[in-house]
Amino acid sequence: DTAVSQTPKYLVTQMGNDKSIKCEQNLGHDTMYWYKQDSKKFLKIMFSYNNKELIINETVPNRFSPKSPDKAHLNLHINSLELGDSAVYFCASSLSGASETQYFGPGTRLLVL
Amino acid sequence: QQQVKQSPQSLIVQKGGISIINCAYENTAFDYFPWYQQFPGKGPALLIAIRPDVSEKKEGRFTISFNKSAKQFSLHIMDSQPGDSATYFCAARKHGSRLTFGEGTQLTVNP
Repeated sequence: DTAVSQTPKYLVTQMGNDKSIKCEQNLGHDTMYWYKQDSKKFLKIMFSYNNKELIINETVPNRFSPKSPDKAHLNLHINSLELGDSAVYFCASSLSGASETQYFGPGTRLLVL
Repeated sequence: QQQVKQSPQSLIVQKGGISIINCAYENTAFDYFPWYQQFPGKGPALLIAIRPDVSEKKEGRFTISFNKSAKQFSLHIMDSQPGDSATYFCAARKHGSRLTFGEGTQLTVNP
């Protein structure tokens, strides 16, 4: 069973489009994250949700809007895509208060043309 | 502000050799220091972690050495194997706060 899953795995789109990435975890965790990994492999946190509430919101353009319908899901919607948004986006989850281990999904490779 | 600095950026080691990756941090409130391993096309996965109350932690061929006074910690991979070729990230966090990752080290182990 996949612990943290993301869809789609690949996303190729034109500048100016709007797209969504979905994430689901079946680990029973209460905290979920979105990370952006650029071409130099640098991992940067974007958002974190705990029990469906936003707890971390880094300096990210407001074109990026996360949404957590329940504890097991965290989606990322991106409006008006730009070339610089091209990256790999990772979802992760953890169990707050018990373990700091974050479990990462396989990533969504976004290419904006 | 980059709170965790990692070096080297890339490392090439022969099979059977020792791989050493170093990290330095600034925030003395950090109390958890994990290392993540990422294979191409995959997400990062926890490899080994240490807390500042110990100076060393070993799991198989992987060892973390921790120097609290110098605010440095390092990953040692003994008997490095081609299957260890991956990108390695150090990280640090303060309890209840987010993980801060280093810039990553691309390790290549030649057969």
